[in-house]
Amino acid sequence: DTVLTQSPALAVSLGQRVTISCRASKSVSTYMHWYQQKSGQQPKLLIYSASNLESGVPSRFSGSGSGTDFTLTIDPVEADDIANYYCQQSNELPLTFGSGTKLEIK
Amino acid sequence: QVKLLQSGAALVKPGASVKMSCKASGYTFTDYWVSWVKQSHGKSLEWIGEIYPNSGATNFNEKFKGKATLTVDKSTSTAYMELSRLTSEDSAIYYCTRGRRALYFDYWGQGVMVTVSS
Repeated sequence: DTVLTQSPALAVSLGQRVTISCRASKSVSTYMHWYQQKSGQQPKLLIYSASNLESGVPSRFSGSGSGTDFTLTIDPVEADDIANYYCQQSNELPLTFGSGTKLEIK
Repeated sequence: QVKLLQSGAALVKPGASVKMSCKASGYTFTDYWVSWVKQSHGKSLEWIGEIYPNSGATNFNEKFKGKATLTVDKSTSTAYMELSRLTSEDSAIYYCTRGRRALYFDYWGQGVMVTVSS
């Protein structure tokens, strides 16, 4: 299985830029996707295929990367962005998710 | 608008089975895969498997083979997942999702909390 590794938590000041990383144990090409999950809610798709912004998602969110290293960038960070962020690969079955990065405000 | 409406929370005894539903609306049910995802308390997400409503074809995470059974009712645009031989390890929130062509999930149900306890 493809293992996705994320940092457990990040603290950022409002209005600043933050990058959340996801590293895959093998190449997934650009079959990497990002989700936001707020407390008590279901996950929400933000970015698909590494860099494509899902419809309705603010342009403050962007994604980049290919192969094994990917990043989700939020610029600028707003209070509403407090959440857990998960990466997910679809290069091979089983589909797998990262362990999640908790975004906190300083 | 696309919606996935899942059934309510379940409290089940160890060794029993539970069947949950996911009613789709706002799109052509038979055109998209439906995946199921597990989230144990405070933990990450695990993909259980997927079903293509048009044909009934399925793919599973090996970990959940024998544990989960996926079915659909095309007449009501509803997907079902049954979990069998439940243990405390099966206590979790289960989400149904709509899968897009590149196997990512653009819509999610609200989740079903399953608690396994005697």
